[in-house]
Amino acid sequence: DAKTTQPNSMESNEEEPVHLPCNHSTISGTDYIHWYRQLPSQGPEYVIHGLTSNVNNRMASLAIAEDRKSSTLILHRATLRDAAVYYCILRRIQGAQKLVFGQGTRLTINP
Amino acid sequence: NAGVTQTPKFQVLKTGQSMTLQCAQDMNHNSMYWYRQDPGMGLRLIYYSASEGTTDKGEVPNGYNVSRLNKREFSLRLESAAPSQTSVYFCASSEGRGMGEKLFFGSGTQLSVL
Repeated sequence: DAKTTQPNSMESNEEEPVHLPCNHSTISGTDYIHWYRQLPSQGPEYVIHGLTSNVNNRMASLAIAEDRKSSTLILHRATLRDAAVYYCILRRIQGAQKLVFGQGTRLTINP
Repeated sequence: NAGVTQTPKFQVLKTGQSMTLQCAQDMNHNSMYWYRQDPGMGLRLIYYSASEGTTDKGEVPNGYNVSRLNKREFSLRLESAAPSQTSVYFCASSEGRGMGEKLFFGSGTQLSVL
């Protein structure tokens, strides 16, 4: 499975945008880019995913580099409830349907 | 909306005891997964079941067995618990249509082995 690299931690202020980077230089053409987050004492929850084009949903936006070797999760206006560990994961379109988690980025939001 | 339900939420075992962690989903998903999460770490895949009747090993299968009882249920068994198996265990499910779909996770089982 292709690996992802994320910063261990990031800090931001409430009501400001947050850009969480992820490098995946060995990504293959059949890998989707997924983002999950894990709030304290909870299971991970899906945030967003994409293949080639930028994606938006009610939670966040996903910006994918043209060469797909990196991506950025954008929280447009962070709240205290966005404090969590964010995982960037590559997932094959077909084949073994397993999701392999890395260490993730611990996001701290300051009031 | 139940989603993925795990039981029990907490369990304490003595070394050598056995137990089964239960997981059930009500979303008619084909694929189910078991992960473990050690303190300060990301999740590691133990076993997964791509569809009813099939199971496959993940990254850390040693010391565990699984059973895909039916489409809804996927259980994880520890035959002889060891302190190294102290962890939080998460079950997850997905549609399994092979299109990079998202996973839905349960709330976890916190297991301590003394």
